[in-house]
Amino acid sequence: DIQMTQSPSSLSASVGDRITITCQASQDISKSLDWYQQKPGKAPRLLIYDASTLETGVPSRFSGIGSGTDFTFIINSLQSEDIATYYCQQYNDVPLTFGGGTKVEIK
Amino acid sequence: EVHLVESGGGLIQPGGSLRLSCAASGFTFSSYWMHWVRQVPGKGLVWVSRINSDASRTNYADSVKGRFTISRDNGKNTLYLQMNSLRAEDTGVYFCANLQWRANYWGQGTLVTVSS
Repeated sequence: DIQMTQSPSSLSASVGDRITITCQASQDISKSLDWYQQKPGKAPRLLIYDASTLETGVPSRFSGIGSGTDFTFIINSLQSEDIATYYCQQYNDVPLTFGGGTKVEIK
Repeated sequence: EVHLVESGGGLIQPGGSLRLSCAASGFTFSSYWMHWVRQVPGKGLVWVSRINSDASRTNYADSVKGRFTISRDNGKNTLYLQMNSLRAEDTGVYFCANLQWRANYWGQGTLVTVSS
């Protein structure tokens, strides 16, 4: 199975800050990576697919970069509505696997 | 508007069985792979199983292989998960989902609690 190591597990930042979350795959997954946002009590929402492509309707302050084994998710100018847990997920091979999640809070 | 509505969850004793259903509407259900994803409240997401559009291919997480069976009825726009020999570690909210980009849809989940 492909293991997805996501860090940090939590972070606290101020409104307007730039934050980054990293995800490392245990083997080469090319660009087969999604990033999801999940708010408490809600289903996940896809933000980024193919490692760097913004899903329709997602604000442009969200972005993703990377390929192979190392990936980064960025929120430029954190907003209060971005408080959530973020997950990476690889779909290069089954079983599909998720990172452990990053809980983002406002300082 | 897209809707995925799961049902069938509940409290079940270890070793028991449950059948989850997911009723889909608002998109062409028969065109997509469909998935089940589990989440223990307060914990992370775990992929459970998937089925292709015509039900000819299925995949499972190792933890459920041989115990769970995914199926679908495209005439009824419904996805199923038959869960047998349930264990405490199967507890969680089960989401049905279409994980395809530009058609990434999730239900609100149904809670399965395996406990004596």
